[in-house]
Formats: sequence, structure tokens, C-alpha cells
Amino acid sequence: KQEVTQIPAALSVPEGENLVLNCSFTDSAIYNLQWFRQDPGKGLTSLLLIQSSQREQTSGRLNASLDKSSGRSTLYIAASQPGDSATYLCAVRPSGNQFYFGTGTSLTVIP
Amino acid sequence: SAVISQKPSRDICQRGTSLTIQCQVDSQVTMMFWYRQQPGQSLTLIATANQGSEATYESGFVIDKFPISRPNLTFSTLTVSNMSPEDSSIYLCSGGGQGGLEQYFGPGTRLTVT
Repeated sequence: KQEVTQIPAALSVPEGENLVLNCSFTDSAIYNLQWFRQDPGKGLTSLLLIQSSQREQTSGRLNASLDKSSGRSTLYIAASQPGDSATYLCAVRPSGNQFYFGTGTSLTVIP
Repeated sequence: SAVISQKPSRDICQRGTSLTIQCQVDSQVTMMFWYRQQPGQSLTLIATANQGSEATYESGFVIDKFPISRPNLTFSTLTVSNMSPEDSSIYLCSGGGQGGLEQYFGPGTRLTVT
């Protein structure tokens, strides 16, 4: 069974800093990996989707990379803002249709 | 992309009662899923909602407790039956295509059982 781990569990940074969130997974046989953002008490907002054949995806200040062979993905956030404060979840999709979610990184950006 | 809505957004229910959560997608999607997110934890898949047939349940979840319907490609319901305080969670509906396609989530239903 696929296991997904996210490190760190919580992160607090001053506004303007660049930061990296980490996601690791145990089985490299995946279709894709998706990063989500979740605000307190809310649903999930899709940030980036990386297919298994891709190395990275970019959207605005966000860049996600995927190293399938080593079972790792990173989410890079440039010039962090207080509005980036949220929980960030990564999810991997092995063969089939189910997503396996990580435990999340709770990010706080201090003004 | 797909926009997913859920009703109700939140509810407070008494022990022993049942609640049905509705999920509506604004476009046809191949797959629909129901997840549970217990306080402070990540998402756990309850079941895959299959159009016109019985849902496929994950280990630890059973149809008697979580009956699911999916009459068409844009709508599904999840019922939480005979509720207990342990069922207090956020319930999330998601939809997407098969294989490598992106998955979208509804805003969730926050359920509190007293």
C-alpha cells in the first residue's frame, strides 16, 4: 500500500521568504502527483498536477518538482505572503483511480 | 476544470440519526469519490461512487454505515447512518477523470454529532 509522508508537519516563516515543502512516497509506480491547499475548515484547492512523465510544473510563485525514482516531490513557494498560510497536502495516484494523501504541512507566513 | 458543490456545508446531528450529503459536479466526470477527514488528520478514502451500480468501499468502511448513490455522471450522495460522535468529521466529495487526470474537490461538509 502506498504511504505518503510530508515534512515538516508545520512551518512558520516571515513574509517574503522562499520555502520548500517536501513529500515522499513509498511506491514509485504512480500516474501523477497533485498538490493541494486547504484553508481551515474548508475543502481542497488544487494547486499543481504533475504527470509521472514530467519533472516539474509551475504556476505563478509555485513550482512543484517530481523525482519518481526516488519517491519525492517538492513544492517551492517564492516570496511567501500571509495569504499563503494554509495546510498543503500532496496526493499520489498509483495505477487505478484512488489518491493517497500525505499528512500535510501547516504553513504560517508571518507579516 | 470541474466545479463541485456540496450540501449541506455543515450540520449538527444527534446520535442515532442519519444525514445525507449531496455532491453536484458542473460537468460530467468519470470518477467520483467520497473522503473523510477527521479532526487534525489527512483525508481517508471512504469509497468510489460508481454510476448505476454499488459503490466500491475501502477497508474499514461498509455500505450499511455509508450508503452511496450515483444515479448519473454529475451527482452523488453519501449517507452517514446511525451516527455516533466518532463520525464527527469533514466529508469531502471529489471528481475527476481516470488515469492521469486532475481531481477536484468540493468544499466539504462539516458534521458534528452530539
